[in-house]
Amino acid sequence: AQKVIQVWSTTSRQEGEKLTLDCSYKTSQVLYHLFWYKHLLSGEMVLLIRQMPSTIAIERSGRYSVVFQKSRKSISLVISTLQPDDSGKYFCALWELKNTNTGKLTFGDGTVLTVKP
Amino acid sequence: GPKVLQIPSHQIIDMGQMVTLNCDPVSNHLYFYWYKQILGQQMEFLVNFYNGKVMEKSKLFKDQFSVERPDGSYFTLKIQPTALEDSAVYFCASSLAWGPNQDTQYFGPGTRLLVL
Repeated sequence: AQKVIQVWSTTSRQEGEKLTLDCSYKTSQVLYHLFWYKHLLSGEMVLLIRQMPSTIAIERSGRYSVVFQKSRKSISLVISTLQPDDSGKYFCALWELKNTNTGKLTFGDGTVLTVKP
Repeated sequence: GPKVLQIPSHQIIDMGQMVTLNCDPVSNHLYFYWYKQILGQQMEFLVNFYNGKVMEKSKLFKDQFSVERPDGSYFTLKIQPTALEDSAVYFCASSLAWGPNQDTQYFGPGTRLLVL
């Protein structure tokens, strides 16, 4: 069974709109972190947000925020005032602290976003 | 932000040949990773590497795969011999630390490998 689930495989919005990308995850670990990455058309993978147990690090400031619902095991990425440059593929990823922890990330399938001018 | 470079960006080879994928991690990072993404599928963990050793590998990391980082140079993934199912995009990542203080993994742009 998939551990990180991104329901939408593709979505399209108009410039200026606000978008919420949903991600749910499954873990039995007490300590885990969550990440949102953006895969650019150039191939570069850019870290957007890192959600830790009680803090959040926003690597790319500005229009990104998250809605983190720990009890529901859900973390949504919110992008306000969409711009064409926001087009790309967005990945949600999970890191879990286990006895044999070695830093492995588990990714969702990703959501391709197209922002139309 | 920190940059991870990967060379080459694309590679086409015949089945059975050897291929080496190169990764130039962030300069002060100590932990290195390879992930594999087959077209249309999830990105999946292959292996991670620290202090000259493989720390964990997944079932995707077949016997034909090996990793090394000789003398602080490139972190490499070698596949010998290649098979058709090795066609994928291979992403390298690096981080400063792991464990309870797991640091962020920074990814390279990927190497697109096509095995014919």
